Amino acid sequence: AQKVTQAQTEISVVEKEDVTLDCVYETRDTTYYLFWYKQPPSGELVFLIRRNSFDEQNEISGRYSWNFQKSTSSFNFTITASQVVDSAVYFCALSDPGRLYFGRGTQLTVWP
Amino acid sequence: EAGVAQSPRYKIIEKRQSVAFWCNPISGHATLYWYQQILGQGPKLLIQFQNNGVVDDSQLPKDRFSAERLKGVDSTLKIQPAKLEDSAVYLCASSLDIGAREQYFGPGTRLTVT
Repeated sequence: AQKVTQAQTEISVVEKEDVTLDCVYETRDTTYYLFWYKQPPSGELVFLIRRNSFDEQNEISGRYSWNFQKSTSSFNFTITASQVVDSAVYFCALSDPGRLYFGRGTQLTVWP
Repeated sequence: EAGVAQSPRYKIIEKRQSVAFWCNPISGHATLYWYQQILGQGPKLLIQFQNNGVVDDSQLPKDRFSAERLKGVDSTLKIQPAKLEDSAVYLCASSLDIGAREQYFGPGTRLTVT
């Protein structure tokens, strides 16, 4: 069965600190996709990134970077130089493909 | 480009009453999803449509929940009768097709059952 675990329930940082959100997943599929979504207080889920199971190349996009390691079934997400506007709940999700399986989310609070 | 639209944004009902939620997906998106998000948890898929056909409704409590997408565009999710545990945010999402990977979410409807 598909499962996504986000062990960090809440994280608080001060603005300009770097922060990493952890995600561990379980699947028996050989082809799958991993996602990060952001849910600000307004409630709408905002798509951030998608990675497929064949692409372990890590990427940096502005202040965001991702570390995908199949050997440890982890897909971690880092925000560099955090800002107050980054405060939100961040969800890691797995697609099998089609339906999304979400973790419980990590509440990130960035203090000024 | 307009995003996924949902209404109402908030709804408060008493248990055993009925309620309906409406979703209008992004234009041209063939696949539509309804998710239930209970406070403190991640969204859970209730039902998935491809055009006007159901692809996956294995997690839909069919004794009280129903959904339709008659013309392959808008969709309605209904609960009848509601229970206290149905209090949640109901999110609608759409994607280009069943093979597309990105799902785009609407703002959700927050339901409170008292």
